[in-house]
Amino acid sequence: KQEVTQIPAALSVPEGENLVLNCSFTDSAIYNLQWFRQDPGKGLTSLLLIQSSQREQTSGRLNASLDKSSGRSTLYIAASQPGDSATYLCAVRGGSEKLVFGKGTKLTVNP
Amino acid sequence: NAGVMQNPRHLVRRRGQEARLRCSPMKGHSHVYWYRQLPEEGLKFMVYLQKENIIDESGMPKERFSAEFPKEGPSILRIQQVVRGDSAAYFCASSPVRQRGTYNEQFFGPGTRLTVL
Repeated sequence: KQEVTQIPAALSVPEGENLVLNCSFTDSAIYNLQWFRQDPGKGLTSLLLIQSSQREQTSGRLNASLDKSSGRSTLYIAASQPGDSATYLCAVRGGSEKLVFGKGTKLTVNP
Repeated sequence: NAGVMQNPRHLVRRRGQEARLRCSPMKGHSHVYWYRQLPEEGLKFMVYLQKENIIDESGMPKERFSAEFPKEGPSILRIQQVVRGDSAAYFCASSPVRQRGTYNEQFFGPGTRLTVL
């Protein structure tokens, strides 16, 4: 059974700092991995999708990496801004259509 | 192109009542997924549907919960005789028809927050 863990559960940083969020999964037989952002009381916004054959994806200040063999992914946020404050969720897709989510990392960027 | 639509956004029910949650997928998407997010928990898969078919309901509680995606109209998640433990955010996602060898991105709606009094 696939399990996804995100560390840390919460993170508080000053504005401008570069930061890394971690995601690990127990079953390396995945098809893809997605990083999402969730604002309080809102839905999920997809940030990056990495297919199993890929090592990383970049979008603006965000860079996500994937190491399937070790069951790890990282989300790197450069030059963090207060507007980046949100909960970041990692989800993997295995041999079915469903996504398995971690519990998320709650990020606070202080001005 | 409108995103995934869910309504209502907030729903309050008393114990024993029925809750009916609606999801309209993105235009051109024929796959719908329902997820539940309990307080302080991650999102958990409930059910995956295509038009008029339930493909995977392995995450759906065996009693009181049902889902449908009719040929016309939105997908409906129905919870009968709600209990306090059903209070959660229910998210719907959609994706287009899957091409062979690929797994499409799922696009999420804003969710319905169900509160059971």
